[in-house]
Amino acid sequence: AQKVTQAQTEISVVEKEDVTLDCVYETRDTTYYLFWYKQPPSGELVFLIRRNSFDEQNEISGRYSWNFQKSTSSFNFTITASQVVDSAVYFCALIEGDTGNQFYFGTGTSLTVIP
Amino acid sequence: DAGVIQSPRHEVTEMGQEVTLRCKPISGHNSLFWYRQTMMRGLELLIYFNNNVPIDDSGMPEDRFSAKMPNASFSTLKIQPSEPRDSAVYFCASSYVKSLTYGYTFGSGTRLTVV
Repeated sequence: AQKVTQAQTEISVVEKEDVTLDCVYETRDTTYYLFWYKQPPSGELVFLIRRNSFDEQNEISGRYSWNFQKSTSSFNFTITASQVVDSAVYFCALIEGDTGNQFYFGTGTSLTVIP
Repeated sequence: DAGVIQSPRHEVTEMGQEVTLRCKPISGHNSLFWYRQTMMRGLELLIYFNNNVPIDDSGMPEDRFSAKMPNASFSTLKIQPSEPRDSAVYFCASSYVKSLTYGYTFGSGTRLTVV
C-alpha cells in the first residue's frame, strides 16, 4: 500500500488563482516527518517544508501555506495567487520514526499555471 | 554550503557500457542516499549508507548496480553493463540522521540516457 498518496496527477490553474495540492499519508509510527518538495522543469528537488508529527500548527510562508491534520492523515499544500513560476511537479513525502532513513514519496502532482 | 554535488549532470551512453555516477554529500552529514526517478516508478530508494557503511541495498534493481562510499565525502553508483531501461534521473541525498532538524538535501541529479 502506498504510504503517501497524491491523488491529483495534474492540475492546471490560471495565474492568480489559488490552488491546493492534496497529500494523504499512512503510518503506524507516532513520530514521523512530512515534507513537500518542488521539482521545476530543470529537474532538481527543492525542499519546501518539513513538519513533525507533534506539530499540527499550520504554516504560512509567503504565498505558500500548509494544513496538517492528523485526524485525516493529510498534509495539504496551498499556493495563493499562483504564478507561472509555480509550474512544477510537487511531491509530498514521509519519513517514519525519529531517525528514519527512507523517504516515502508520493507520485507527485504536476501543476501548470497558465498566464 | 555548496550542497550535495552530483556529477555528471547528464550522461548519454551506449548499451553495454559502464556508467559511474558521483556524489559529494554535505560536509558533516552522516547518511547518504541514492534515489532513482522514472516516469513509471516515481522516486525510489536504491541504497543508503550510514557512516560510510551500506545499510540497506534492497532497492538496488539487480547485480548490474553497485554503490560504494569509500569515505565520508564521496560516493559512486555504478551500472555495468548499462541497459536502456536504466535511463532515469539518479538523485543523491545526504542527511544527518540523528536529527532530522538538519533536514535532508538532494543533489541536482544525473540524467542518464542509455541508447
